[in-house]
Formats: sequence, C-alpha cells, structure tokens
Amino acid sequence: DTEVTQTPKHLVMGMTNKKSLKCEQHMGHRAMYWYKQKAKKPPELMFVYSYEKLSINESVPSRFSPECPNSSLLNLHLHALQPEDSALYLCASAGGFQETQYFGPGTRLLVL
Amino acid sequence: SQQGEEDPQALSIQEGENATMNCSYKTSINNLQWYRQNSGRGLVHLILIRSNEREKHSGRLRVTLDTSKKSSSLLITASRAADTASYFCATDATGGYNKLIFGAGTRLAVHP
Repeated sequence: DTEVTQTPKHLVMGMTNKKSLKCEQHMGHRAMYWYKQKAKKPPELMFVYSYEKLSINESVPSRFSPECPNSSLLNLHLHALQPEDSALYLCASAGGFQETQYFGPGTRLLVL
Repeated sequence: SQQGEEDPQALSIQEGENATMNCSYKTSINNLQWYRQNSGRGLVHLILIRSNEREKHSGRLRVTLDTSKKSSSLLITASRAADTASYFCATDATGGYNKLIFGAGTRLAVHP
C-alpha cells in the first residue's frame, strides 16, 4: 500500500482564521514532506521531517507551522494567511533519503 | 527555485503516437524521478532513475539519464487519451535530505 491521505480535500478560510491540514501514511516511512503548488507551476518544497524532527524549513513564513506528532502523521497549522497563500498543498512521504517520494492527493486552499 | 527546465512546455499528439519529454538540470544528483499529475491533483510516481543508471523501463515508459549532459528524457510509447496530464521531472541533489526540486513540467494532451 503506497497511499498517503490528506484531509480536507478543500479548505476556504479567511485571513483571521486558524486551520490545520492533516497528512497520514501507514507505510512506515520516516521522512515526510510538505510542498506548495500554485496553479500551472511545479511543486515547491516547504518542510522536511525526518524521524519526526524538522530537518528542513525552506524559509517558509511563520504563519505556516508544521507539526509531526508521530511517525504516521504530519500536520500543517495555518494562521493569518494571505490571499497569495491560496494553492494546492501536497504532502509526501519516503522510506528513506534517496528513495521514491509518494504524494497524497493534496488540499486545495483558498484564502479570502 | 527550479533545478532545471523541461521541454517542451506543452505537447499535443494523437492516440497511438509516442511522446517524448526532456528534462535538464544543473547540479549533481543522487537520482531523478518522473511524476504525472492529473488536473492539479496529487502527483503519481512513475519512475526513479539513480545517477549510476542510464535507462529504465516501466510498461510503456522509458526513461534515460545522461549525467554528463545533466539531462533526462521520458518516452511514452503508444500513447492513450488517459495519458493526458502534466509530467514533471524532479531531481534529488547530492548531500540533501531527499529534497526534490521540480522542473517546470510538460503538459501532454493526447487526442482520441
């Protein structure tokens, strides 16, 4: 089973709201990733977690706050977002570095 | 930041024809991965080719890698309408945490 699940599928939020995106995998993968993808653009890496610890933060604004509560779960907490943060947010996991990354279906976020 | 370029940006062919997409990159890599994305949803992994490999096959897909030219190609043979999607190459640079950097992508349209 190479499935990564993401909830919700769609999210609409105002600039003063607080919301969270959730990602789950049960493949025993120890590396998990958040990517952001704007329309007609390639995905861009935001965060990398390795063994539940944050390994890479690609200079992402603090209004995005990642969390890895356990080896199967990855959250992305959102607060005071801007309309330009509207995008598809993709989660991925990998069994190790230099291995295939498996992506979830994404959460399409609209910030009003 | 993008690692490299893909060409063509868009490709339109008839069912049964072959489709070739090219990817160039800039730095030394551990591996290069090809993904497909339908209608802005999640990415589906197609093939991973490591830096010491020159060619890999998977069904109707053939991927080549030329590390001396820092380039890769994806060939889809006997294309079908269901192959209509965006195709991305992604490079995993050496010394990283499986930090994938995606090319701009090729939008493939296969007409019945």
